[in-house]
Amino acid sequence: NAGVTQTPKFRVLKTGQSMTLLCAQDMNHEYMYWYRQDPGMGLRLIHYSVGEGTTAKGEVPDGYNVSRLKKQNFLLGLESAAPSQTSVYFCASSYRTGGRTDTQYFGPGTRLTVL
Amino acid sequence: LAKTTQPISMDSYEGQEVNITCSHNNIATNDYITWYQQFPSQGPRFIIQGYKTKVTNEVASLFIPADRKSSTLSLPRVSLSDTAVYYCLVGDGRTGTASKLTFGTGTRLQVTL
Repeated sequence: NAGVTQTPKFRVLKTGQSMTLLCAQDMNHEYMYWYRQDPGMGLRLIHYSVGEGTTAKGEVPDGYNVSRLKKQNFLLGLESAAPSQTSVYFCASSYRTGGRTDTQYFGPGTRLTVL
Repeated sequence: LAKTTQPISMDSYEGQEVNITCSHNNIATNDYITWYQQFPSQGPRFIIQGYKTKVTNEVASLFIPADRKSSTLSLPRVSLSDTAVYYCLVGDGRTGTASKLTFGTGTRLQVTL
């Protein structure tokens, strides 16, 4: 049971390049999330998904796209990278527990630098 | 959404008990209080969750007064390895709202010898 994994761990891009970050979870969770964390700051939600084939915008969605074609995978795309997107990206997943706040399980993060 | 306020940082010596308080004055009836821990270069990790009174697990205790407008995370006898950022989240995990939880900037705990 690997939990939540992220690929790649590090990446350097030039302005205008595109890339896709992959998140995979093996816990059969319904919900998946993409966050970004900038130095000295908390996590900000980019996009999330409440199930296979569904996606929705979070707090800071501009410049990113996502897809959830399979329940276990959640992809985050940057179509034209900008230096402002330099950050650490975390993926998380959670199960639906009814009335309680879902516990989120996080991946190890992807450190992205855009030059 | 309930907004949370935590101290930006705290310092402690190894072996002491650490209490981190989070204010959430506009907490809603359905909201739970959840605490996460984040070590440098790692994703946050769930510590504890509660709705009211007291919750204890092998890692920490969570104290929630009757009015639920604040909560206190208690870490007994901290060690150097407890140095981390601690986030307090308040929210309702029912469908469509779990995604709206916000982490804020958290409390940076520094434990020294």
